[in-house]
Amino acid sequence: AQSVTQLDSQVPVFEEAPVELRCNYSSSVSVYLFWYVQYPNQGLQLLLKYLSGSTLVESINGFEAEFNKSQTSFHLRKPSVHISDTAEYFCAVSDRGGSYIPTFGRGTSLIVHP
Amino acid sequence: SAVISQKPSRDICQRGTSLTIQCQVDSQVTMMFWYRQQPGQSLTLIATANQGSEATYESGFVIDKFPISRPNLTFSTLTVSNMSPEDSSIYLCSAGESNQPQHFGDGTRLSIL
Repeated sequence: AQSVTQLDSQVPVFEEAPVELRCNYSSSVSVYLFWYVQYPNQGLQLLLKYLSGSTLVESINGFEAEFNKSQTSFHLRKPSVHISDTAEYFCAVSDRGGSYIPTFGRGTSLIVHP
Repeated sequence: SAVISQKPSRDICQRGTSLTIQCQVDSQVTMMFWYRQQPGQSLTLIATANQGSEATYESGFVIDKFPISRPNLTFSTLTVSNMSPEDSSIYLCSAGESNQPQHFGDGTRLSIL
């Protein structure tokens, strides 16, 4: 069984500042890792994923995350946030070759202030 | 990527009634799932909707309370039966293929009076 810990329930930040949303996981097997974003009154949208290959993955809107196997982390970063990035962010993990059903973290609310 | 339509988007229901939520995918998918997201919390998997067979329920969820149908590879329904205020939540449908990320509908926001 796997688990996901998102250490921060809420992260307030000013516009154009950098941000890091932390995610740590535990699993007895190799994993796939995901970040999803949920805007108000919407479902979850896939932001980025790590399946294999380069440990640094990027999204089209400037977010990036790095898979660190030794630290079992998959932190999400953005060098300069916008007001429109205000949303709930969920980290998720699933087993390679297993049931594939992901386990989600509790979410981090990113609040960008002008 | 699959586009998922879920309806209703929201509803307010009376205690003791039942509501059926529909989930339509614009392409055939192997896997469909139903989640519950309570206010300020993460997603909890209710069940995996299996095409042509009974759904697979997670611990704490039972078929009598949450009957699920999956008549084909593009459609599924979740019924919330005999509702109580504790069932007030967001219910999310997702779909995808194994070893690929799931895609989600916009959810159904359900309030029970």
